[in-house]
Amino acid sequence: KNQVEQSPQSLIILEGKNCTLQCNYTVSPFSNLRWYKQDTGRGPVSLTIMTFSENTKSNGRYTATLDADTKQSSLHITASQLSDSASYICVVSAKGNKLVFGAGTILRVKS
Amino acid sequence: DAGITQSPRHKVTETGTPVTLRCHQTENHRYMYWYRQDPGHGLRLIHYSYGVKDTDKGEVSDGYSVSRSKTEDFLLTLESATSSQTSVYFCAIYGGRNTEAFFGQGTRLTVV
Repeated sequence: KNQVEQSPQSLIILEGKNCTLQCNYTVSPFSNLRWYKQDTGRGPVSLTIMTFSENTKSNGRYTATLDADTKQSSLHITASQLSDSASYICVVSAKGNKLVFGAGTILRVKS
Repeated sequence: DAGITQSPRHKVTETGTPVTLRCHQTENHRYMYWYRQDPGHGLRLIHYSYGVKDTDKGEVSDGYSVSRSKTEDFLLTLESATSSQTSVYFCAIYGGRNTEAFFGQGTRLTVV
């Protein structure tokens, strides 16, 4: 069964600190991996998209890495801000262009 | 912003009544999806469409049906709503492969 597992479930950090979120997947065949940010009460918004040939991709203070051999990805957030408080969702594109979602990591940034 | 609109945004309905949610896009994307989001479960796929009149079931399709009679509209119908279908429903559109996927703002459905 195609699965996407994220850790930790939730995380609290102080403003200005860095953090790393993890994503492990068993989706095969694999097309691409995406990270989304979802603010409370809103739809997910894309942060990065990586194909199997890409190892890293950045979007401002967000940097995603991908190891297609071990089927692991991480999202690193640098110098966190209060506005980074949200749910971060790892999404893998499977055969047939189906998008398989992880349950998300809830990040809370405290001042 | 991508042209994707869900309606209604909020709905309260009684158990046993039929309910239809609408997803409308202006991007001419081939793929459209319906997901539900519940606490602790993340987004789970209900049904998806890969073209007009071409649809398939997702992992939580029981109690739901869909229709796509034209590219821009994807309808989700709860034939006889139950309390377990109280959830937030998201529609997504996708051009395929490594293109961007966009989500609507969600529909909060409460079945009482």
